[in-house]
Amino acid sequence: GNSVTQMEGPVTLSEEAFLTINCTYTATGYPSLFWYVQYPGEGLQLLLKATKADDKGSNKGFEATYRKETTSFHLEKGSVQVSDSAVYFCALSDGRGGSQGNLIFGKGTKLSVKP
Amino acid sequence: KAGVTQTPRYLIKTRGQQVTLSCSPISGHRSVSWYQQTPGQGLQFLFEYFSETQRNKGNFPGRFSGRQFSNSRSEMNVSTLELGDSALYLCASSRGPGQGIFGANVLTFGAGSRLTVL
Repeated sequence: GNSVTQMEGPVTLSEEAFLTINCTYTATGYPSLFWYVQYPGEGLQLLLKATKADDKGSNKGFEATYRKETTSFHLEKGSVQVSDSAVYFCALSDGRGGSQGNLIFGKGTKLSVKP
Repeated sequence: KAGVTQTPRYLIKTRGQQVTLSCSPISGHRSVSWYQQTPGQGLQFLFEYFSETQRNKGNFPGRFSGRQFSNSRSEMNVSTLELGDSALYLCASSRGPGQGIFGANVLTFGAGSRLTVL
């Protein structure tokens, strides 16, 4: 079945460091890929998405490129800030049966950024 | 505009009881999905509703049920609660099928209802 694997955390970085959170997926067909972020005590917020191979999603300095050849969607940011501290989730949707609300999530990676 | 509203935010129940959680989607959103979030299993899909019809269901026992009303508001119910049902239950809404290629699967999540079963 479809699945998402993302790197285990927690990840601790100093402010202005470079961030990479790895995400790989297994899916049939051509899934859409997403990164969601969850701040303490809140629900998930969509960070960025890509709907087809070679698409690059970007938002708030974060980027991820849909790589079909390596089945990956790694999240990157050139210079993290303390305010980026949160849990990051990689997710996919294959739209089976016309459903759009069924996302398959990775386990999440907790990021802590120190001043 | 108002986001996805979930009530109650926190609740404590005992084993064997039942619980009903409510979700009000963003105005204009007709699709509502529910997820269970636990430290061990992470985020798991429960079910999805669109136009009062269940479109998809995750791999949960029949004790977990849901419904959607004509105004798109949704409720989920868990009967005969078990300790393992303790979790954060998240509701997410979207416009629904046909929202367009750029809007594909863009779910907006609520803050969740944290259920503790004692």
